[in-house]
Amino acid sequence: AQKVTQAQTEISVVEKEDVTLDCVYETRDTTYYLFWYKQPPSGELVFLIRRNSFDEQNEISGRYSWNFQKSTSSFNFTITASQVVDSAVYFCALSESTAGNKLTFGGGTRVLVKP
Amino acid sequence: GAGVSQSPSNKVTEKGKDVELRCDPISGHTALYWYRQSLGQGLEFLIYFQGNSAPDKSGLPSDRFSAERTGGSVSTLTIQRTQQEDSAVYLCASSYRLSSDTQYFGPGTRLTVL
Repeated sequence: AQKVTQAQTEISVVEKEDVTLDCVYETRDTTYYLFWYKQPPSGELVFLIRRNSFDEQNEISGRYSWNFQKSTSSFNFTITASQVVDSAVYFCALSESTAGNKLTFGGGTRVLVKP
Repeated sequence: GAGVSQSPSNKVTEKGKDVELRCDPISGHTALYWYRQSLGQGLEFLIYFQGNSAPDKSGLPSDRFSAERTGGSVSTLTIQRTQQEDSAVYLCASSYRLSSDTQYFGPGTRLTVL
């Protein structure tokens, strides 16, 4: 069965600090997809990134970067030079090709960026 | 273009009443998903549709929950004889195809059962 663990429940940083969110997953499939979503105080889940299991290249998008390591079953997310607008709950999720693409979410990490 | 829309945004009901929640997916998206977000259970999958059929209903918590999708577009999630533990935010998502495509979420319906 698939499982996603986000061990950090809440992280508090001061603006301009970097913050890394951990995500560890479990799956028996060889083909799977990993996602990060952001849920700001408004409540709507906003898609950030999708990676497939065959692409271990790290990715950078502006102040966001992702580190995918199959050897440790991790897909970590770093926000560089955090801003107050980054305050939100961040969810890591997994879908398996054999499970109809339904998402299994981690418990989420609340990030609070203080000015 | 327009995103996923859900209605109502908030619903307060009395225990034992039936409720219907509506989801309008992104135009052209063939796959539609329902999830529930509650304090105790986090984000959990309920059901998904490919076109009008629902291959996986495994996440529906009880037979009081049902969902349908007509015309390959709008979906309705119905909860009969609501209980207080049904209180949650119900989220709908859609994707272009079933296989691996990114799911885009609507704003959710907050259901409160008194």
